[in-house]
Amino acid sequence: QVQLVESGGGLVKPGGSLRLSCAASGYSFSDYYMTWIRQVPGKGLEWLAYISGSSNSIVYADSVKGRFIISRDNAKNSLYLQMNSLRDEDTAVYYCASRFIRAGADYWGQGTLVTVSS
Amino acid sequence: DVVMTQSPLSLPVTLGQPASISCRSSQGLVYSDGNTYLNWFQQRPGQSPRRLIYKVSTRDSGVPDRFSGSGSGTDFTLRISRVEAEDVGVYYCMQGTHWPFTFGPGTKVDIK
Repeated sequence: QVQLVESGGGLVKPGGSLRLSCAASGYSFSDYYMTWIRQVPGKGLEWLAYISGSSNSIVYADSVKGRFIISRDNAKNSLYLQMNSLRDEDTAVYYCASRFIRAGADYWGQGTLVTVSS
Repeated sequence: DVVMTQSPLSLPVTLGQPASISCRSSQGLVYSDGNTYLNWFQQRPGQSPRRLIYKVSTRDSGVPDRFSGSGSGTDFTLRISRVEAEDVGVYYCMQGTHWPFTFGPGTKVDIK
């Protein structure tokens, strides 16, 4: 069955960096767009970035542009989010999601919590 | 950014009764390919969001047919024909037409 498993979350100080990973299985990973979405605990959802199957199309939300980098390794069926210059307001659960992202993506992971705090 | 608004934000419902959630977008949601990328999600407590409906009215596989979506332009609706206990959670509309894609604030559905 399809699985998306995020990892790499944790506690980091403001200004620090963290790299999230998303391991995909059960479908043809390289054929589909991937995306990162975050949710502040108890609050709403925010799209951060997406990347095409071949990595030739990458788009970021203004809130993370210049600080976060989305990438993928199709040989490893993995998606990444390199997060730099982290701020308190980046504290959230980070989800990876896949397939037909304009239609909201039908595959979602369980999320990984990132806490930015001194 | 396209602003998505939902009403109500809280919806206490009686089991077996219908429920309806409204979603409005600040811009039209017809994409250049002719599709309207208005989607609905359910988030049960402690779980990831789960897509229920995409492109206004297409139900995802495994979603009960008591859920239906409708609308056009900037006004959309999610209806639950008869609410069941498992429907408790937060429901979000989301637009995938204009980047950045945006979600509504969510409507919390619980049982009276």
